Amino acid sequence: AQSVTQLGSHVSVSEGALVLLRCNYSSSVPPYLFWYVQYPNQGLQLLLKYTTGATLVKGINGFEAEFKKSETSFHLTKPSAHMSDAAEYFCAVSLAGNQFYFGTGTSLTVIP
Amino acid sequence: DAGVIQSPRHEVTEMGQEVTLRCKPISGHNSLFWYRQTMMRGLELLIYFNNNVPIDDSGMPEDRFSAKMPNASFSTLKIQPSEPRDSAVYFCASSLVTSNSPLHFGNGTRLTVT
Repeated sequence: AQSVTQLGSHVSVSEGALVLLRCNYSSSVPPYLFWYVQYPNQGLQLLLKYTTGATLVKGINGFEAEFKKSETSFHLTKPSAHMSDAAEYFCAVSLAGNQFYFGTGTSLTVIP
Repeated sequence: DAGVIQSPRHEVTEMGQEVTLRCKPISGHNSLFWYRQTMMRGLELLIYFNNNVPIDDSGMPEDRFSAKMPNASFSTLKIQPSEPRDSAVYFCASSLVTSNSPLHFGNGTRLTVT
C-alpha cells in the first residue's frame, strides 16, 4: 500500500530561521514526489516536484527538497523563513495511472 | 493560462437541497480530480477522470454524490440531497495523464449546508 506521512501537523519557526518540514512515503514502486503549499482560502499550489535525475530539487519561494531513496523521505527546507511562508504544506506521491496520495498537511507558523 | 476555474466560490444551502459544483480544467489537460477538504478529514479524493472517463470513484461518500464530465472542458459534482455533514471546501484539479505531471488546483468551492 502507498502512503505519505508528514511528521508534525504544526511547525513554528522564527522569522529568519531554518524551515524543515518532514515527509516520508511508502511505495512499492519508484514514486514521483511533490510539495504543495496552500494559503488561506486558496487552492493548493505546486512548490516543487521530483521525477527523475537530481535528487535535490529547487522550487519557488526559496524552497527545496531532497529525495532520499534509502530513507524514503522527501523533506522540504528553506534556509530562512519569511512571514509570507506561513501556510499549510502538503507532500504528495504520484504513481502509475495518475494516482496521487497526499499527506495530512503541516501548518507552518512564522513568529516575528 | 487561466488555471482551473471553479464556480461558485461560495455556496450556502439548506439541508435537502441539490447542490451543483462546476469545474473548468486547464485547456489540454486530460485528467480531472475532485477533492474534498475538511478540518477533520483533511484532503480526500472523491473521484477522478482520465479522458472524460471516471477511473476511480471509490472516494465518493455515498449515492447522494455524483460527478460527470460531459466533455474535456467541463465537469460537475452534484450532491442531492445535501446534508450538513457535506459542508467542506471542494477542490477541482487537472493534470496530464502522466505520473510525473503535477496537479493544478482551482481555488475551491466553500459549501455550507445548514
